[in-house]
This record gives sequence, C-alpha cells and structure tokens, in this order.
Amino acid sequence: GAVVSQHPSWVICKSGTSVKIECRSLDFQATTMFWYRQFPKQSLMLMATSNEGSKATYEQGVEKDKFLINHASLTLSTLTVTSAHPEDSSFYICSARLAGGPPETQYFGPGTRLLVL
Amino acid sequence: GQQLNQSPQSMFIQEGEDVSMNCTSSSIFNTWLWYKQDPGEGPVLLIALYKAGELTSNGRLTAQFGITRKDSFLNISASIPSDVGIYFCAALKGGSEKLVFGKGMKLTVNP
Repeated sequence: GAVVSQHPSWVICKSGTSVKIECRSLDFQATTMFWYRQFPKQSLMLMATSNEGSKATYEQGVEKDKFLINHASLTLSTLTVTSAHPEDSSFYICSARLAGGPPETQYFGPGTRLLVL
Repeated sequence: GQQLNQSPQSMFIQEGEDVSMNCTSSSIFNTWLWYKQDPGEGPVLLIALYKAGELTSNGRLTAQFGITRKDSFLNISASIPSDVGIYFCAALKGGSEKLVFGKGMKLTVNP
C-alpha cells in the first residue's frame, strides 16, 4: 500500500531556531501534499496545501513566512518552521495524495512531534 | 476554520461491546471518511462513503452516509483491545480537496 514517511519523528529545539520537517511518499508519486497541525487532544487542522513545482496555498491564519513549504519533487515536501517559539510546539502531520487520484485518497505520514523550549 | 461536530468525545467500554459515534455538520458534504489514529501516529483510513444513504462495512466496522449529507455514523461491533485509539470523522465538499475533520473520539476498551 501507499506509504508516507516523515522525518524526523520528533525534534526538540531552542526558541528562535528553525526546524525542517520532511514528508516523503515512498512508493507513489504525489502531486499534492498537505500539512496539518494537531494540538494535544485536538483535531487535525489544515495548514497548507503543497503542489509540486508551485507555491503552497496557506489556510487563513497560517503565516507563510513562518511556515515555509517547499514541494520540489513528486515524492518530497518540506515544512520549515522558522524562528520557532514555544507556541509552535505541536504534532505536525503531512499527507500525500496519489497523482491523478481522487481528493479523498490522502495517505498520512506518522507525524513529527515538535517541542520548542 | 470549519469543523465537524463529533460525539461522543470519549467512550469507555468493555471488550465485546459495540460502540457508535457520529458526526454532524450544518453544511452538506459529498464524501464522508472515518479514520483511526493511534498515539504518536498519523490517521489511517477505515471507511470512505460517497453516496447519501450509503451503508458500508469493513470487518467489524459499519458506517453510513446520512441522507441529508450532513451527517455520518460509525459503529464498531464486538470491540477488542486493539480498537483502542482516537477515531476521527472527516468530510469533503464537492470540488474540494481539503479534508475537514471532527474533534475525534477517544475509545478505551477494557479487557
């Protein structure tokens, strides 16, 4: 089946530093990848939609300069949290949609837990 | 952002019991989905529903797409300990690729 990986699985960083999270589709091509944020005991909230070769589309209230998204290939999207602060601590989950597949066919990664001290 | 109203928020049941959960919305959706999320993992798709009134089963799981297209329910029969986790409903509007999620229901199964 379709597998999506994320790296790292968890990261602890100091306030003010930048953190890069990778999302890879391992056995399929994904023209579209999605980035979600999930706070403890909360639902997944869509942050941005990432299309290969074009600029990401951010949801209302998500700062594009703070959460930099790059989707350079059909199997890799990266999310960089710039100048991270404690309030950015969260569980970040990506999903990848099979190229040409229906919109509901999103395969989720295992998530990356970010703790900013 | 828009969210689905999912209930109950949590349930504690004995192994072997059935459990039901539902999601409602004030908006119409074209696709309803049910996911399970284990701690520290991403959601895994359990069932997808595409037509109003559709009733779909996947093993011990049964889900239905409401006639009004504004709700869906998921039923788990004869629960087992590995059913423990958080169950999310999600939905898609026609022409959209953005999933909207419910707040989740935490299921605990006592052996």
